[in-house]
Amino acid sequence: EIVLAQSPGTLSLSPGESATLSCRASQSVSSSYLAWYHQKPGQAPRLLIYGASRRATGIPDRFSGSGSGTDFTLTISRLEPEDFAVYYCHQYLSSPPRHIFGQGTRLEIK
Amino acid sequence: QITLKESGPTLVKPTQTLTLTCTFSGFSLDNGGEGVGWIRQSPGKALEWLALMYWDDEKRYSPSLENRLTVTRDTSKNQVVLTLTNVDHVDTGTYFCAYRDPWQLGTLTIWGPGTMVTVSS
Repeated sequence: EIVLAQSPGTLSLSPGESATLSCRASQSVSSSYLAWYHQKPGQAPRLLIYGASRRATGIPDRFSGSGSGTDFTLTISRLEPEDFAVYYCHQYLSSPPRHIFGQGTRLEIK
Repeated sequence: QITLKESGPTLVKPTQTLTLTCTFSGFSLDNGGEGVGWIRQSPGKALEWLALMYWDDEKRYSPSLENRLTVTRDTSKNQVVLTLTNVDHVDTGTYFCAYRDPWQLGTLTIWGPGTMVTVSS
């Protein structure tokens, strides 16, 4: 069973700093189907990155995704107050068809 | 503009069947690759994918819940319905539906606001 492990569990940073979030798959997965979301309290997740590195509509270029195989990274530069949230990575698997999520990284204001 | 909204009971008793409806607009779920997915989140926990209804009526379910889940569609009403049988306290949480976008590599791009369901006697 493929599992997505996100690290760190919690990241404490100040506005203006940069954040690096990791998503590691237990087996090699397709980068085409790797996405990142963030979720604020009481809200639905919002898509940030799809295809490992493509920014979703309306997402500022401070957000960037990279990686392949088993290791994927979301980088957020120049943190804004609205960036502090929980971040999830997500992967679609084709055999058998299903979706999986990482356990999340909480990005909090230091 | 694509929107989705979940609706259904807020309180369900253990062993009962939970039925949730996702009403969507901005697409018709008849274009190749489109789909509507269901995802839930237990309080304070991570996201868990449940099911996905594809444009061609193909359905996919979480392997761990497959024997309790059914997803159907009502094309005339632009709705996708999720049914979860024999609910338990662990099924308490917020249930989301989301649009599978074929033009963004099949990613779940747009989500509804979610509906909170509590399982309690």
